[in-house]
Amino acid sequence: DAKTTQPTSMDCAEGRAANLPCNHSTISGNEYVYWYRQIHSQGPQYIIHGLKNNETNEMASLIITEDRKSSTLILPHATLRDTAVYYCIVRVVDGGSQGNLIFGKGTKLSVKP
Amino acid sequence: ETGVTQTPRHLVMGMTNKKSLKCEQHLGHNAMYWYKQSAKKPLELMFVYNFKEQTENNSVPSRFSPECPNSSHLFLHLHTLQPEDSALYLCASSQVSGGSSGANVLTFGAGSRLTVL
Repeated sequence: DAKTTQPTSMDCAEGRAANLPCNHSTISGNEYVYWYRQIHSQGPQYIIHGLKNNETNEMASLIITEDRKSSTLILPHATLRDTAVYYCIVRVVDGGSQGNLIFGKGTKLSVKP
Repeated sequence: ETGVTQTPRHLVMGMTNKKSLKCEQHLGHNAMYWYKQSAKKPLELMFVYNFKEQTENNSVPSRFSPECPNSSHLFLHLHTLQPEDSALYLCASSQVSGGSSGANVLTFGAGSRLTVL
């Protein structure tokens, strides 16, 4: 699986957009990009995923560059409850293996009042 | 109950005890997972069960013994653990299909915090 690189930590002001970058320069054509987050002492929570196109749901937007070597997770209006560790994961899904997700160290996002 | 439920939420055990962690998913998923999260370390995948069959064991010591009696329940049996096994143990489930039909989205439980004395 492709390796991902994320900043260790980021700060964001409450109410502002939080833009979390992820580099995955060795991504393959059949690998998805997933984002999860983990609030302190809780289980990880799925946010969004994508293959090629930009995606948006009620939680966030995912922007994937045209060459797919990097992506950005956008939380449009960050709140204090968005303070968490955010994980960017890439994983192939094929007929045999259904893509067991391997988590890295993620980015610790601190949303400040 | 909805989602993925783990019990107990907290467990303290001695090195000679035998205990079990339980996970139940109410989502109709066909795959279940155990992850371990030690302090200040990334989540480590331990075991994977697809359709009740174990498909992955990531070199986990034999003092951890998983059991998946049906697609809704997953256990992690613990015996003769070491203090370094103290961690947050997370269960997850997902719906997998036989073909390359799309992404694999995991739903996690809240975890069982284990302390080995």
